[in-house]
Amino acid sequence: DTEVTQTPKHLVMGMTNKKSLKCEQHMGHRAMYWYKQKAKKPPELMFVYSYEKLSINESVPSRFSPECPNSSLLNLHLHALQPEDSALYLCASSPFISLRTATYEQYFGPGTRLTVT
Amino acid sequence: KQEVTQIPAALSVPEGENLVLNCSFTDSAIYNLQWFRQDPGKGLTSLLLIQSSQREQTSGRLNASLDKSSGRSTLYIAASQPGDSATYLCAQSNSGGSNYKLTFGKGTLLTVNP
Repeated sequence: DTEVTQTPKHLVMGMTNKKSLKCEQHMGHRAMYWYKQKAKKPPELMFVYSYEKLSINESVPSRFSPECPNSSLLNLHLHALQPEDSALYLCASSPFISLRTATYEQYFGPGTRLTVT
Repeated sequence: KQEVTQIPAALSVPEGENLVLNCSFTDSAIYNLQWFRQDPGKGLTSLLLIQSSQREQTSGRLNASLDKSSGRSTLYIAASQPGDSATYLCAQSNSGGSNYKLTFGKGTLLTVNP
């Protein structure tokens, strides 16, 4: 099973709402990532979790709050978002991020299309 | 600041043609180079990953090469099909403490016409 799943596929939320994005993988990967992708732009890294601990936060605003409850699940909690946060949010996973011989090949999910009104 | 550039930005070819997509990177401390395919509004599908110690990787009709000295990678698609139409992204990760961090190019939008 080389699949990363993401729910929901689409989400529309108001600026005062609280919502969560969910990502799941069952490949035994111990690194998981959140990316943001605006239209016609490449993905931009937001967060990296390694062994269920946050290892990288790319200066993301606090209205985005990641959570890794276990080795298979990654959540992104959203609160008080702005219209400019509308984008495709992609989750990815890779086997390791600390083993020198690892390839770090990243596997991406289908994304959640978020619209903030 | 490391940069990844992809040329051309868009490419339209007739079905059956062989084609090459180009990717260039500025940071020579490359760890690996990964090629992805993205269909409109969808996630990324990993096509090929080339480690810095390798020169090329092949999967079916796809062949990716890596030339560290010139800072270039190419993705060769043989006998193109309409189903190959998508945006192709290359991404570089660097050696050092952040091997996992990918720097993406802006992509090449490929259209294969029947």
